[in-house]
Amino acid sequence: DAGVIQSPRHEVTEMGQEVTLRCKPISGHNSLFWYRQTMMRGLELLIYFNNNVPIDDSGMPEDRFSAKMPNASFSTLKIQPSEPRDSAVYFCASSLRQGTNTEAFFGQGTRLTVV
Amino acid sequence: DAKTTQPPSMDCAEGRAANLPCNHSTISGNEYVYWYRQIHSQGPQYIIHGLKNNETNEMASLIITEDRKSSTLILPHATLRDTAVYYCIVLRPIFAGNEKLTFGTGTRLTIIP
Repeated sequence: DAGVIQSPRHEVTEMGQEVTLRCKPISGHNSLFWYRQTMMRGLELLIYFNNNVPIDDSGMPEDRFSAKMPNASFSTLKIQPSEPRDSAVYFCASSLRQGTNTEAFFGQGTRLTVV
Repeated sequence: DAKTTQPPSMDCAEGRAANLPCNHSTISGNEYVYWYRQIHSQGPQYIIHGLKNNETNEMASLIITEDRKSSTLILPHATLRDTAVYYCIVLRPIFAGNEKLTFGTGTRLTIIP
C-alpha cells in the first residue's frame, strides 16, 4: 500500500478563495483524522470519521471549515472562504484497530498558504 | 482522556540511550499510553504503546511504572535520525475504531553528534 495520500502537497491561494484538500486513506482502514499544525498551536485535531461517519468535529475552528467522507477511500477538507490565519500544514491520518492497537498512519501533509 | 506532561526539550549524545519521560498522573485503568514522533516536515509516526506491562519493539522500549502514573520511552542507541518531537498520548478507546487521537506539545529531542 502507498500509505495515506494527500493532495495537493502545497497550495497557495488568495484570501477569500475556496480551498479543497484531499485525502486517500490506507485501504481497509476505518478511521480517518484531519489535523492542522502551526507553530503557535501545534498539532490540532479538527475532525475524525469512523466508517465514513463524522464522530467528533469539535476541533473544526468555524463554519468556514467543512469535511466530508463520501466513501471509505476518499475524504475532503474544504475551507470557504479562506483567510490568512488558515495558513498551516494540514495532515490526514487513517487507522484500523487491531486488538488494542490503533496505530495511526499519517500522510505527508498539505502546506497551505493563504495570502 | 488523561492529560500528559513532558519536558519541552532534551539532548542526547549519538549512540547513547535516550530516555524520554512522561507524566500521566490522572490516567485511568482502561487508558493506554501511546508514543508518536514527528521528524521535521513529516507527519507523525507511531512508535509504541502499552497498558501496564513494559513493551519493546524494533524502534524502542516503553517502561510504565507500577502505579501507571508515568512512563519512559527508551531509544536504546540514538542516531541523528532520531532527532524529532516525541509525543506521549494517553488514549481511552471508546469503542473499536473510535479513539480520539490528540497531541500535546511533546518533547523536542536533539541527538548530538
